[in-house]
Amino acid sequence: AQSVTQLDSQVPVFEEAPVELRCNYSSSVSVYLFWYVQYPNQGLQLLLKYLSGSTLVKGINGFEAEFNKSQTSFHLRKPSVHISDTAEYFCAVSGSGTYKYIFGTGTRLKVLA
Amino acid sequence: EAGVAQSPRYKIIEKRQSVAFWCNPISGHATLYWYQQILGQGPKLLIQFQNNGVVDDSQLPKDRFSAERLKGVDSTLKIQPAKLEDSAVYLCASSLVSGEGYTFGSGTRLTVV
Repeated sequence: AQSVTQLDSQVPVFEEAPVELRCNYSSSVSVYLFWYVQYPNQGLQLLLKYLSGSTLVKGINGFEAEFNKSQTSFHLRKPSVHISDTAEYFCAVSGSGTYKYIFGTGTRLKVLA
Repeated sequence: EAGVAQSPRYKIIEKRQSVAFWCNPISGHATLYWYQQILGQGPKLLIQFQNNGVVDDSQLPKDRFSAERLKGVDSTLKIQPAKLEDSAVYLCASSLVSGEGYTFGSGTRLTVV
């Protein structure tokens, strides 16, 4: 079975500052990892995914994440945030070869002017 | 391509009433998922279909929830009778290849009073 931990429920950051949203997972099998963004009153949008290959994954809107197998982490980063990045961010894991996503509890990113 | 369509967007019902949600996945996507997202939590999988067959419904409260996917395309999720704790956003998602990234609909926000 897999599990996901997002330690930070809220992250405030000033506009144009860098940000890192943390995600740790546990799994007894190899995994697929995902980050989704949810804007108010909308569904979830895929930011990026790690399936295999390079551990540094680039996604949409300037976000990237690095898969670290030894630390079982998949932290999301952006070098310079904008007001429009204010949203809820969810990390998700699925065991490769399975279909079910396990989502974290989410991190609310609030970008301040 | 058109996204995942869901209706209605909002629904308010009294406890013990019944309610149904509809989802039309992206054309050609064989796998369809229903997730429940309670306020402040990550989405939780209720049921997964592959074409019109159920792959996983282990977390579906079968005493009150039911879902079907006729002809392997549209799907409906029903709750009967509803309880106060069913208040949540119900998200439908579909994928071309299971486990490698979903596309979510905008969701249906259910309020049970």
